[in-house]
Amino acid sequence: DAKTTQPPSMDCAEGRAANLPCNHSTISGNEYVYWYRQIHSQGPQYIIHGLKNNETNEMASLIITEDRKSSTLILPHATLRDTAVYYCIVRTSGTYKYIFGTGTRLKVLA
Amino acid sequence: DVKVTQSSRYLVKRTGEKVFLECVQDMDHENMFWYRQDPGLGLRLIYFSYDVKMKEKGDIPEGYSVSREKKERFSLILESASTNQTSMYLCASPPDRANTEAFFGQGTRLTVV
Repeated sequence: DAKTTQPPSMDCAEGRAANLPCNHSTISGNEYVYWYRQIHSQGPQYIIHGLKNNETNEMASLIITEDRKSSTLILPHATLRDTAVYYCIVRTSGTYKYIFGTGTRLKVLA
Repeated sequence: DVKVTQSSRYLVKRTGEKVFLECVQDMDHENMFWYRQDPGLGLRLIYFSYDVKMKEKGDIPEGYSVSREKKERFSLILESASTNQTSMYLCASPPDRANTEAFFGQGTRLTVV
């Protein structure tokens, strides 16, 4: 199974871009990269996903390297409400299983 | 706009009790999953189901069982609750296609005393 590694914590100033990295060096060709976040005591919330092209939606942008071994989630203008644990997940091929790591705890500072 | 609902936000049970955690989804998905979440360990998969009456073990099934009698409902059962099963339990319903998102319930925080 492909697994991901993320830094355990990051800080970001309010209003600045938050760039959260993720390594997934064993990813297979048909596996998607997903990002979720979890605010304290709530269920994970979907942010964005992609296969190999960069993606953007109203919440964030996802940049995937050409070799697909790593990706970066970008929150363009972080707010205090973006303080959460962010999970980078690779969808296991052949099943619909999500394998979660321990995520990155992002703290947005006023 | 509720998609995945877990029956309780907080539960306190005694050691040895049989505990039922219920999850309902309204998206007509075939897939439903149960995770537990513990500090420093992330989310770990307990059981999942691809269809009614079908179930498969995840990474940590010991001490748990599941029931999927109807498509929309997936129950997690602790046959004899123990204190090491104190945790946050999360139900998820991934879509049937590989390139759309999964929806999670709000979580059930279970304390076994």
